[in-house]
Amino acid sequence: GAGVSQSPRYKVAKRGQDVALRCDPISGHVSLFWYQQALGQGPEFLTYFQNEAQLDKSGLPSDRFFAERPEGSVSTLKIQRTQQEDSAVYLCASSPIAGVNTEAFFGQGTRLTVV
Amino acid sequence: SQKIEQNSEALNIQEGKTATLTCNYTNYSPAYLQWYRQDPGRGPVFLLLIRENEKEKRKERLKVTFDTTLKQSLFHITASQPPDSATYLCALQMNTGFQKLVFGTGTRLLVSP
Repeated sequence: GAGVSQSPRYKVAKRGQDVALRCDPISGHVSLFWYQQALGQGPEFLTYFQNEAQLDKSGLPSDRFFAERPEGSVSTLKIQRTQQEDSAVYLCASSPIAGVNTEAFFGQGTRLTVV
Repeated sequence: SQKIEQNSEALNIQEGKTATLTCNYTNYSPAYLQWYRQDPGRGPVFLLLIRENEKEKRKERLKVTFDTTLKQSLFHITASQPPDSATYLCALQMNTGFQKLVFGTGTRLLVSP
């Protein structure tokens, strides 16, 4: 497709359940980011991939959060044993090159609600 | 502590007027500053990027200024229209090897006909 695609759009999980969120970046984009956006707040950085290498995971809030991009294209963000504070919109973004001063292309996000 | 502050209250203006949104930051030294637009239920959409050595950048009805001494960016929309109504986010990029964006909380703009 022409843009960044995320699935599912909405996910309701029971507390303690594991979830997997998928991101299809724009074809050929080298850089891929995951952000978490709480209601009424700006997005907060979670992790960054350059091709298949995860170069920065400093924003992952706990070891329950895990991300991968095994072939340098599609990425999955996995949250184990979900808790209510994990409820948020999870945004994926991609950029065509690595390095600063380029725009990020965002997907529509996955809204996760933990009940 | 590090902070990025944007107007927390919604900005209400009349169609045709110029909207001015502010972004102030503390304890950051960004090399680049970006502005994004976000509509409800959608991801942010890139609008403009300005470098630390640029004072001003324009694109159609949009203008961004960047004052590294004041640690402030101003975002202007001239001749505003109701479709300009959205949340506007500023985001900082540091001069590191990665492109991680550090976002402000956003300002909601409402343009009335």
